[in-house]
Amino acid sequence: DAGVTQSPTHLIKTRGQQVTLRCSPKSGHDTVSWYQQALGQGPQFIFQYYEEEERQRGNFPDRFSGHQFPNYSSELNVNALLLGDSALYLCASSSPGLNQPQHFGDGTRLSIL
Amino acid sequence: QKEVEQDPGPLSVPEGAIVSLNCTYSNSAFQYFMWYRQYSRKGPELLMYTYSSGNKEDGRFTAQVDKSSKYISLFIRDSQPSDSATYLCAMFKAAGNKLTFGGGTRVLVKP
Repeated sequence: DAGVTQSPTHLIKTRGQQVTLRCSPKSGHDTVSWYQQALGQGPQFIFQYYEEEERQRGNFPDRFSGHQFPNYSSELNVNALLLGDSALYLCASSSPGLNQPQHFGDGTRLSIL
Repeated sequence: QKEVEQDPGPLSVPEGAIVSLNCTYSNSAFQYFMWYRQYSRKGPELLMYTYSSGNKEDGRFTAQVDKSSKYISLFIRDSQPSDSATYLCAMFKAAGNKLTFGGGTRVLVKP
């Protein structure tokens, strides 16, 4: 049973560019959340998708946007990249129903030059 | 002040010792509590998931929640070098699903 899978594993971009990160949830999961984890810190919530809609959003600018597809997979898009966007981007999925625990993928490490 | 506080460590213990980790939080609306383990260059792995105050045991791991004190703990018995990792506490409000994390505690178990 495959867990949460993310691609690519590493990415190097320059300031001002745009990036798209991808996530496939664990089998049977329908809710996908995205987190940003800076080095040495805990993950910070970006947003959550359910039924192809953004259900909840954290304190991130509009440069961060996302999408969920009918098969529950998801994309995170970041425009106008800044040096401060360098981080590990984590995707988590959870089962149908309220108050379900979230399971994480291994993330995409994004470096901005 | 952060909503969830966690000592960053590092916490160094000899193999076989009990590892004791804890987090404090300020928002009484948090109802669900988790502990994750994160190895270097990997994503967080769910270890424990609890709701009510009290203890929950799973193998060598015991999670403790004290909602009245806004304090949660994780104990690891018979620690192994493979337990060396960063441990993250996380929590969310009822029907919220947005996880709020502590900063993580780095643990080193020495053979």
